[in-house]
Amino acid sequence: GQQVMQIPQYQHVQEGEDFTTYCNSSTTLSNIQWYKQRPGGHPVFLIQLVKSGEVKKQKRLTFQFGEAKKNSSLHITATQTTDVGTYFCAGPTGNQFYFGTGTSLTVIP
Amino acid sequence: SQTIHQWPATLVQPVGSPLSLECTVEGTSNPNLYWYRQAAGRGLQLLFYSVGIGQISSEVPQNLSASRPQDRQFILSSKKLLLSDSGFYLCAWSRGPSYNEQFFGPGTRLTVL
Repeated sequence: GQQVMQIPQYQHVQEGEDFTTYCNSSTTLSNIQWYKQRPGGHPVFLIQLVKSGEVKKQKRLTFQFGEAKKNSSLHITATQTTDVGTYFCAGPTGNQFYFGTGTSLTVIP
Repeated sequence: SQTIHQWPATLVQPVGSPLSLECTVEGTSNPNLYWYRQAAGRGLQLLFYSVGIGQISSEVPQNLSASRPQDRQFILSSKKLLLSDSGFYLCAWSRGPSYNEQFFGPGTRLTVL
């Protein structure tokens, strides 16, 4: 069946280091969305990419959508303690919508 | 601006008891509405989504049901809770017609004992 996997599942970094999470879908996605969930909180929408090969930046965050629209990545430059949380990719395929398995980021001060 | 409300925030229920969780959206009309469940430390599982009043699609067979009696009201119910129903239940909305960016409510933490 359809799967949207993210790696790594967990990542611990020293504050100031970079961080990347990768998202891979078994089928083509119409778009890719990224959400952040702080510990104890609810997911918050970050960004949506629609076009094949699209790259978008939000301050220290860089999002990329693969050419085949089956994978995506989120890169954070120079992590800060405020970046702590779980990052989920998500996207529709046909009439279905799937969230990725998530990457939990811990930033060590 | 749009806001989404969920209640209660936390709930402890015995096995076999009924469940009713309510979600309401303000500041928009004809939203797509979603119910998700998140087990501890896990990802989000889509349970139900609705594109309009009385229109419910179920993603996963379970002992839960959903209803949309009004345009901006979405209710998650169960007649008899199971231990496996414990989790963090999240309601979300998006603008139609497809799965656009979703805005989540604060969630309900359900513990079934």
